[in-house]
Amino acid sequence: EAQVTQNPRYLITVTGKKLTVTCSQNMNHEYMSWYRQDPGLGLRQIYYSMNVEVTDKGDVPEGYKVSRKEKRNFPLILESPSPNQTSLYFCASSGGTRENTGELFFGEGSRLTVL
Amino acid sequence: GQNIDQPTEMTATEGAIVQINCTYQTSGFNGLFWYQQHAGEAPTFLSYNVLDGLEEKGRFSSFLSRSKGYSYLLLKELQMKDSASYLCAVMDSNYQLIWGAGTKLIIKP
Repeated sequence: EAQVTQNPRYLITVTGKKLTVTCSQNMNHEYMSWYRQDPGLGLRQIYYSMNVEVTDKGDVPEGYKVSRKEKRNFPLILESPSPNQTSLYFCASSGGTRENTGELFFGEGSRLTVL
Repeated sequence: GQNIDQPTEMTATEGAIVQINCTYQTSGFNGLFWYQQHAGEAPTFLSYNVLDGLEEKGRFSSFLSRSKGYSYLLLKELQMKDSASYLCAVMDSNYQLIWGAGTKLIIKP
């Protein structure tokens, strides 16, 4: 089954404790992206990757890191989480040409709470 | 700045038709996308418009007017399962998606 898998789905942590949210897709997609979703706001892009070893900042990259060592995996790293990073996070991927990167397949989401 | 506007919430009756509007101001245009998101779930792709006109897909249709910076999503024969948020997104000149805040659609029996 074609899917994007994120882990963990739910996490409560404390300020400053490094954490990683994993994302894996089995569709051989070149494009992958991380978003956060907060009430009343649209999806905001954190980072994206057009291919292996190619990553770029989105609209809200501060406080986050990513890596793309393999095509299927795109982990999101919070080196020192703060309460303002409490949010619902989605990983997404897309195949095809650059113009088609708007047709996204989303993971189920990871709800993160930073105390 | 870049901006996508859509109503925050709409209510409609089961079996009826509803139109969800989206207006946009972006740096360039490379397509407009509609997504459906049920509460607590991930968004799922519904439709894509890059040329003016109406795209029909079953009970759902999406319309685009590039000159007016306007799109709408039309849902016919509403069912209770259509209760969800509907997200409008525009791909700008850098092929980046700009997202609206979403329209929460409530369906009443």
